[in-house]
Amino acid sequence: DARVTQTPRHKVTEMGQEVTMRCQPILGHNTVFWYRQTMMQGLELLAYFRNRAPLDDSGMPKDRFSAEMPDATLATLKIQPSEPRDSAVYFCASGWGGPDYGYTFGSGTRLTVV
Amino acid sequence: AQSVTQLDSHVSVSEGTPVLLRCNYSSSYSPSLFWYVQHPNKGLQLLLKYTSAATLVKGINGFEAEFKKSETSFHLTKPSAHMSDAAEYFCVVSSNDYKLSFGAGTTVTVRA
Repeated sequence: DARVTQTPRHKVTEMGQEVTMRCQPILGHNTVFWYRQTMMQGLELLAYFRNRAPLDDSGMPKDRFSAEMPDATLATLKIQPSEPRDSAVYFCASGWGGPDYGYTFGSGTRLTVV
Repeated sequence: AQSVTQLDSHVSVSEGTPVLLRCNYSSSYSPSLFWYVQHPNKGLQLLLKYTSAATLVKGINGFEAEFKKSETSFHLTKPSAHMSDAAEYFCVVSSNDYKLSFGAGTTVTVRA
């Protein structure tokens, strides 16, 4: 089965450090999402791309978060500087972009900022 | 704008008994609706989807859901729960802007 690959699976970092999370969407999928999951807030949409162009990143704290798709096989989410409140599981999902198809989620990156 | 409300935060059933997870949606457009499942420390897996075809949708692992426009509901059911069904379930709505809006989730526990 095709899958969305996220790296790293786990990351522990100190406050103030830069964190980069990577996502390899399923080949051919043209829509990519970044979600953050915490116990308190549930699943929050951070940003999403269609055909590599950002459609909405209003869910991201702009001063420290940035999301990019340098090419069709790679999406990145960067936090600089990281803070303890950023500790969460970050999920990437990809799909064909039509609402009919559903989206495939990666296994997530569990980030802990100490 | 679209949103979903999952009416139960937690459902507990005995193994072998039916499971019902309730979801109501709100959407300005004709919605696409999904149910995802998340097992502990895992990613989200698509269970089933409604995309304006048949109103009764069958998914994986014996789950099915019925789209009722008059009630704006998309409840998930399974006739007989298995221990492996213990997980968190999310009702999700998508519309013209491709965004997925997640419900708060329903945690299912299955008693032996």
